[in-house]
Amino acid sequence: AQSVTQPDIHITVSEGASLELRCNYSYGATPYLFWYVQSPGQGLQLLLKYFSGDTLVQGIKGFEAEFKRSQSSFNLRKPSVHWSDAAEYFCAVGARGGSNYKLTFGKGTLLTVNP
Amino acid sequence: EPEVTQTPSHQVTQMGQEVILRCVPISNHLYFYWYRQILGQKVEFLVSFYNNEISEKSEIFDDQFSVERPDGSNFTLKIRSTKLEDSAMYFCASLLRDGQTQYFGPGTRLLVL
Repeated sequence: AQSVTQPDIHITVSEGASLELRCNYSYGATPYLFWYVQSPGQGLQLLLKYFSGDTLVQGIKGFEAEFKRSQSSFNLRKPSVHWSDAAEYFCAVGARGGSNYKLTFGKGTLLTVNP
Repeated sequence: EPEVTQTPSHQVTQMGQEVILRCVPISNHLYFYWYRQILGQKVEFLVSFYNNEISEKSEIFDDQFSVERPDGSNFTLKIRSTKLEDSAMYFCASLLRDGQTQYFGPGTRLLVL
């Protein structure tokens, strides 16, 4: 069965600093990979996704992520964090079954941004 | 931009009562999902639905749960006899086809007392 590990439960960075959130997955084939962001009490907003092709993917709000098959990783990066980026970030793997896929989420990383 | 909508945004119910959570997926999408997130925990898959039948369900999705697409637009999740542990945020999602993005609704926060 597929699984997602986000090793960092909570990360604090200063505004303007760079950010990397780690994500490792376990899946028997090439997965679909996603990063979602959730602000308190809100729904899930898709930041970026990888289905195939270029392993470096660009997303919204200046985020990017790189799929590394050899490391089973899909880390999220941003060169300069803004205070509005404070939220919880979820990595997810899409496990294919039949004609569609279901998402398996990691436990999330809570990002705090200091002024 | 098309979006998934969910009603109600919040629902409070008594243990043992039936609740129906409603979702309107994006109009031309073919696959529909329910996920839930217990407070402070990760989002968990409950069920997927395609062509008017369940495609896959998780261990959480027991006989107390059911899903239905009663008309061409709504997708519902029914919990027949709610338990305290059913308190969670329930997200609906829809998908056009494989290889595309699942779009999530804003969620329904269910509180069982």
